[in-house]
Amino acid sequence: AQTVTQSQPEMSVQEAETVTLSCTYDTSESDYYLFWYKQPPSRQMILVIRQEAYKQQNATENRFSVNFQKAAKSFSLKISDSQLGDAAMYFCAYRPPLGGGSEKLVFGKGTKLTVNP
Amino acid sequence: EAQVTQNPRYLITVTGKKLTVTCSQNMNHEYMSWYRQDPGLGLRQIYYSMNVEVTDKGDVPEGYKVSRKEKRNFPLILESPSPNQTSLYFCASSLRSLTDTQYFGPGTRLTVL
Repeated sequence: AQTVTQSQPEMSVQEAETVTLSCTYDTSESDYYLFWYKQPPSRQMILVIRQEAYKQQNATENRFSVNFQKAAKSFSLKISDSQLGDAAMYFCAYRPPLGGGSEKLVFGKGTKLTVNP
Repeated sequence: EAQVTQNPRYLITVTGKKLTVTCSQNMNHEYMSWYRQDPGLGLRQIYYSMNVEVTDKGDVPEGYKVSRKEKRNFPLILESPSPNQTSLYFCASSLRSLTDTQYFGPGTRLTVL
């Protein structure tokens, strides 16, 4: 079974600084999707960024970027110029490749990010 | 406004009393899913549906039922709730599959006494 590991239960960063959240996953597949979701105190889950495994280029969305290391099965999230509104729980998630009719999503346990003014 | 709605938002019930948490989306999405969130465990998928009348188990389906009779609705049914089902529940939908952006509902906080 696929597993997603977020080894940092909590992280903190100073406003305007850069922080990297780590995520590793276990799979024997070669074509899959990876996601980072943000959950602010409002509890609303929001998609931050996605990465398709067959694409070598790292995904970027404004101040959010990923470092996707396929061989190492690592998918870290970098937040640049951190803002107070970035404070949230961040979840890494893995989606297996299509096929076999399965369309499941496996989440990590989350990293709580605190942004200090 | 495009959204996923869940009702109720908060519910306190007792062991064994059947309950239904409703989920509705107004985006004509085919894919819908239920997750539960527990401290220290992240989110775990309960059931998902690829389209009307098509449902499948996620990783933690025991004690839950779902149905997808209409495209917009995907209710979660707890026939005989137990205290270990106390959790925060999220419904989500996406256009066709998980490769599309998933939109989450606001969550339902369920307490089973």
